[in-house]
Amino acid sequence: AQSVTQPDIHITVSEGASLELRCNYSYGATPYLFWYVQSPGQGLQLLLKYFSGDTLVQGIKGFEAEFKRSQSSFNLRKPSVHWSDAAEYFCAVGMIKAAGNKLTFGGGTRVLVKP
Amino acid sequence: DGGITQSPKYLFRKEGQNVTLSCEQNLNHDAMYWYRQDPGQGLRLIYYSQIVNDFQKGDIAEGYSVSREKKESFPLTVTSAQKNPTAFYLCASSIGGVNEQFFGPGTRLTVL
Repeated sequence: AQSVTQPDIHITVSEGASLELRCNYSYGATPYLFWYVQSPGQGLQLLLKYFSGDTLVQGIKGFEAEFKRSQSSFNLRKPSVHWSDAAEYFCAVGMIKAAGNKLTFGGGTRVLVKP
Repeated sequence: DGGITQSPKYLFRKEGQNVTLSCEQNLNHDAMYWYRQDPGQGLRLIYYSQIVNDFQKGDIAEGYSVSREKKESFPLTVTSAQKNPTAFYLCASSIGGVNEQFFGPGTRLTVL
């Protein structure tokens, strides 16, 4: 079965510093990969997605992610963090086989931004 | 505006009562999903539906039931058989296949 691991439960970063959130997946075929962001008490918003092609994907709010097949990773990055980036971030993998099409989510990484 | 609505935002129920959470979408999406979110556990799939009048169990379907009688609606009933129903519930929809899912704002259910 496929799985998604986000090794960092919490990350604290200073405003203006760079941010990288890790995501590793276990899946037998080429994955469909997503990053979502969730503000407290809210739903999830899609930041970016990777289906195929260029392995460096640009998203909204200045985020980007890089798909590395050899490392089974899809890490999210932002060069300069703003206080409004404090939220929880979820990586997800989509599978196109099995009973229906669905996403498997990682456990999430909560980002705290220091002034 | 197109989107997904969930109501109510907060819901309180007594133990042993069934409760139904509403999810409506006007995105003309075929597929709809229900997730449960607990602190530190990410999202877990309860039920999903790829088309009207059809739905499948997700990873944690026990104690829950759904219906999909209309394309735009996918209500979730939390039954008294669900042993630990207090959680944040998220509904999502997509065009189908493996595509991005659009999420509603969620319903926080507290069972007293």
